[in-house]
Amino acid sequence: GENVEQHPSTLSVQEGDSAVIKCTYSDSASNYFPWYKQELGKRPQLIIDIRSNVGEKKDQRIAVTLNKTAKHFSLHITETQPEDSAVYFCAASIPQEYGNKLVFGAGTILRVKS
Amino acid sequence: DTGVSQNPRHKITKRGQNVTFRCDPISEHNRLYWYRQTLGQGPEFLTYFQNEAQLEKSRLLSDRFSAERPKGSFSTLEIQRTEQGDSAMYLCASSFRERYEQFFGPGTRLTVL
Repeated sequence: GENVEQHPSTLSVQEGDSAVIKCTYSDSASNYFPWYKQELGKRPQLIIDIRSNVGEKKDQRIAVTLNKTAKHFSLHITETQPEDSAVYFCAASIPQEYGNKLVFGAGTILRVKS
Repeated sequence: DTGVSQNPRHKITKRGQNVTFRCDPISEHNRLYWYRQTLGQGPEFLTYFQNEAQLEKSRLLSDRFSAERPKGSFSTLEIQRTEQGDSAMYLCASSFRERYEQFFGPGTRLTVL
């Protein structure tokens, strides 16, 4: 089955700097890659996603890139702010006719120091 | 609040007891997913429904676990004869028809003593 690895496990950056989190997946059939942000004690929140027919997607300070050949995708956060501090999870799935179970990475704890 | 809701938010039980959790998806979302999250890990898929049909179950879902979605709206997850290893956050997510995006509820944190 699908396996997703995520690096680094913790990341500390200075406010205003950029942060990059990387994930690799094992199943070449995966074609949907969402990123979730989870603050302490709160629900995972979908922040951006990408499908395999697209190489890059941006939403304000957040961007995701996908390299299908290498089977890896990355989350880029620019101009980080203290409120970006949270745990970030990547996931991969093979959408099927009746649903798409997500396979998650282990998460990255992002700390933005002010 | 039109998001996914879960009840209870916290459940403490003794080993061997049965527990039941409820998930109410976003209105009109026909797909509903259950995941389990342990400390320091990402959510792990347990099972999912399209309307009232349970279409896939993970190997993580032992015989002690059962999930239902009787009318295609809310869902329940029951754990029988709880074990300490069942302690985790149980998350529910829903999605709309063929759309890929899944929206999560706040979870039910289960502690088995």
